[in-house]
This record gives sequence, structure tokens and C-alpha cells, in this order.
Amino acid sequence: AQTVTQSQPEMSVQEAETVTLSCTYDTSESNYYLFWYKQPPSRQMILVIRQEAYKQQNATENRFSVNFQKAAKSFSLKISDSQLGDTAMYFCAFIWGGSQGNLIFGKGTKLSVKP
Amino acid sequence: ETGVTQSPTHLIKTRGQQVTLRCSSQSGHNTVSWYQQALGQGPQFIFQYYREEENGRGNFPPRFSGLQFPNYSSELNVNALELDDSALYLCASRRDGQETQYFGPGTRLLVL
Repeated sequence: AQTVTQSQPEMSVQEAETVTLSCTYDTSESNYYLFWYKQPPSRQMILVIRQEAYKQQNATENRFSVNFQKAAKSFSLKISDSQLGDTAMYFCAFIWGGSQGNLIFGKGTKLSVKP
Repeated sequence: ETGVTQSPTHLIKTRGQQVTLRCSSQSGHNTVSWYQQALGQGPQFIFQYYREEENGRGNFPPRFSGLQFPNYSSELNVNALELDDSALYLCASRRDGQETQYFGPGTRLLVL
């Protein structure tokens, strides 16, 4: 069975500092995609960053970057220069199976950015 | 803004009733997926529709059913509501051949 584990239920960081959220996953598939989604109190699930498993280069999107370690099945999210608007639940998710694939989510990490 | 909308935003039902939740996807997004998110949990996959046919289902009973229409709208129907059905229901859509799903704002269902 495919699983996604986020071992940090809650984290906090000071504004302007850097924080790293952890995610590990388990799969026997070789071709898959990994995502980080952000869910603020408004409930809208917003895509933060995606990574194709066949790409060795780590994805980056402005202040957000990932550390993808395929052999270790690890996919951490680094947020640089944290902002108050980054306060949200962050979900790591995994999909395989092409057009019939569905997302498998971790339980989430609640991130609080403090002024 | 993801271009995916859902209605209603909140809903209260009593046990045993039936409910219909609606989703409107982005134009050109032929795949729509529905997820159930219980409080404090990550979303769980319910089922997926592609071009009006169900092509994937999670571990949910048959009383969870759906429809997808040619105009990129879709429905999630739940019969014989149970207390444990109380959750946030999310729909997500994507284009053909793409893995990235774009989510709507969700419908919060409370079953009393």
C-alpha cells in the first residue's frame, strides 16, 4: 500500500526565518509525482510545489524549495524568509498511475509563523 | 484562485438523509476527483470521474455516488447519511495527461 507520513504535527517559525517540513512516503512504483499543498484557515487547498520522481533536480518556486531523496523516499519542503501568510496546514501528497491516479495525502503539518 | 468552485459552502443534515454536493471545474479539465477530509486529517480519495465515467474509487461504500456532466460540473451524492460523514468535501480537477490537481474551496457537511 502506498502511504505518506508527515512526522511533525505542528511547527512554528519566526517571521523571516527558514523552516523545513518533513515528509516520507512508501511506494513500489518508479514513476510518480510528489506535491506539497497548503491549506489556510479558509480551507482552500493550494498547490505550493510539485516534483516529478524521474527528475533528479529539486523543484523550487520562489521562497519554496524541496529536498527530494528518491532512494530514501523523502520529500521535505523548505520555506525561506517565512511570512505571516505562510501560516497554514501543509500536506505532502503523492500520485501515481497516470490519468487514473489519485492523490494520497499525509496527515499534515500545522505551521505557525510568529511575528 | 484555482477556477474550481463548490456549492454550498456549508450544509447541515440529519442522520439518514441524503445530500448532493456540487462542483464546477475549470474549462478543459476532463477529470474530477472528490475527497473527504475529516477534522484534523488529510483528504481521503472517494472517487474520480473522467469524461462522465467513474474511473477510480477509494474505500468508500456505494452510498457515495457521483455524476459528471459535459459542462465540467459534477456532483457527489451521499445517501443514508451517518454521523461519521461529517467532514469537509473537496473536489479537484485536472487536464488530460496532467497529474496536478486543482482544488475547490470545499463544502463543510455536518450530520446531526
